[in-house]
Amino acid sequence: NAGVTQTPKFRVLKTGQSMTLLCAQDMNHEYMYWYRQDPGMGLRLIHYSVGEGTTAKGEVPDGYNVSRLKKQNFLLGLESAAPSQTSVYFCASGTSLSSGNTIYFGEGSWLTVV
Amino acid sequence: AQKVTQAQTEISVVEKEDVTLDCVYETRDTTYYLFWYKQPPSGELVFLIRRNSFDEQNEISGRYSWNFQKSTSSFNFTITASQVVDSAVYFCALSDRNTGNQFYFGTGTSLTVIP
Repeated sequence: NAGVTQTPKFRVLKTGQSMTLLCAQDMNHEYMYWYRQDPGMGLRLIHYSVGEGTTAKGEVPDGYNVSRLKKQNFLLGLESAAPSQTSVYFCASGTSLSSGNTIYFGEGSWLTVV
Repeated sequence: AQKVTQAQTEISVVEKEDVTLDCVYETRDTTYYLFWYKQPPSGELVFLIRRNSFDEQNEISGRYSWNFQKSTSSFNFTITASQVVDSAVYFCALSDRNTGNQFYFGTGTSLTVIP
């Protein structure tokens, strides 16, 4: 009953360090997303993917990179972390609009950049 | 342009009161989908409902009901006889063909149910 799994759940980084957040889904979904959640700003889309090997920018892509080498995995990378990237990161996956899409979220990853 | 507006930032009600959470959306597409998600204090995001633009029927699920009105671009969520377990942040979201399957979320409404 895994659904969408994110690792790690908690991480503290120093400014300038790099890291990768991993998202894995076992629902055979085509679409995957990375959001960040900040107080008072709701959920904002960072990057998304409409299928294996594809990625696209969302609302707030700067400072992040993503890769979708396998259908079930969507990686979010921070090359040089900044304090402004302190946030809660959520991965989600779903099907297309025509397939009656709904997106399902992972449990979140709490990232602090000091 | 903001696609989803949840004007109520925080709401407090006493247990057993009814409460309505407002959601106003903006889209130029004739085919779109609206959603509500719940985020309890534990932090996960739980899917509550999906509604497509061609179906304006209101929906009821237990104590939860949703009122979709295309004329006012609103998709409001009512909790009847609220309970402490309803305390959470609730997000409204929109997805349409113009956004290429992206989901746009409102800023959320934090509901506190006081025992």
